[in-house]
Amino acid sequence: KAGVTQTPRYLIKTRGQQVTLSCSPISGHRSVSWYQQTPGQGLQFLFEYFSETQRNKGNFPGRFSGRQFSNSRSEMNVSTLELGDSALYLCASSLETKTYGYTFGSGTRLTVV
Amino acid sequence: GENVEQHPSTLSVQEGDSAVIKCTYSDSASNYFPWYKQELGKRPQLIIDIRSNVGEKKDQRIAVTLNKTAKHFSLHITETQPEDSAVYFCAASVRGKLIFGQGTELSVKP
Repeated sequence: KAGVTQTPRYLIKTRGQQVTLSCSPISGHRSVSWYQQTPGQGLQFLFEYFSETQRNKGNFPGRFSGRQFSNSRSEMNVSTLELGDSALYLCASSLETKTYGYTFGSGTRLTVV
Repeated sequence: GENVEQHPSTLSVQEGDSAVIKCTYSDSASNYFPWYKQELGKRPQLIIDIRSNVGEKKDQRIAVTLNKTAKHFSLHITETQPEDSAVYFCAASVRGKLIFGQGTELSVKP
């Protein structure tokens, strides 16, 4: 059974640009959640999608957005990148819109220069 | 507010000793408490979890205890091995999302 796949693994962007990250959940998993991981703030919740609907949102500015497609794949977008957006972005999938059985992907390492 | 405090931030033990990591959560509605292990450069992996209707759960060398009254839960690792070295995160479910502690860097010296 394939795990959670995130692409790309590494990304370098310039301040002011925008970026799109992709996450393919485990087959059959319908819930996808996104987290930002930084050394200073730890793991912080961005948002959760279930059946193409955003069910939950964390305390991040509107520059951070996401969506989920009918096949449960999810994308997150960050517009007008800032240096502070440099982080590891982790996607996690689970069967339902609950946190039980979270499986994380390997993440996308975003560096903003 | 939604908060999970985790202690200690670093922990160094000798191989074969036990390690204990403690967490405190703030939201009394939390009902699910997982623990994740993250090795350097790798994804967090679920190692054990506990639900609020259970006080203790064990899986080989690892165990988790939960005190709902005090809003405390702890991870216990016995007979530690060098491969246990990693960062460990506790988390609590809060309204459909996980709130994570700041992590504990565990170092097991051979």
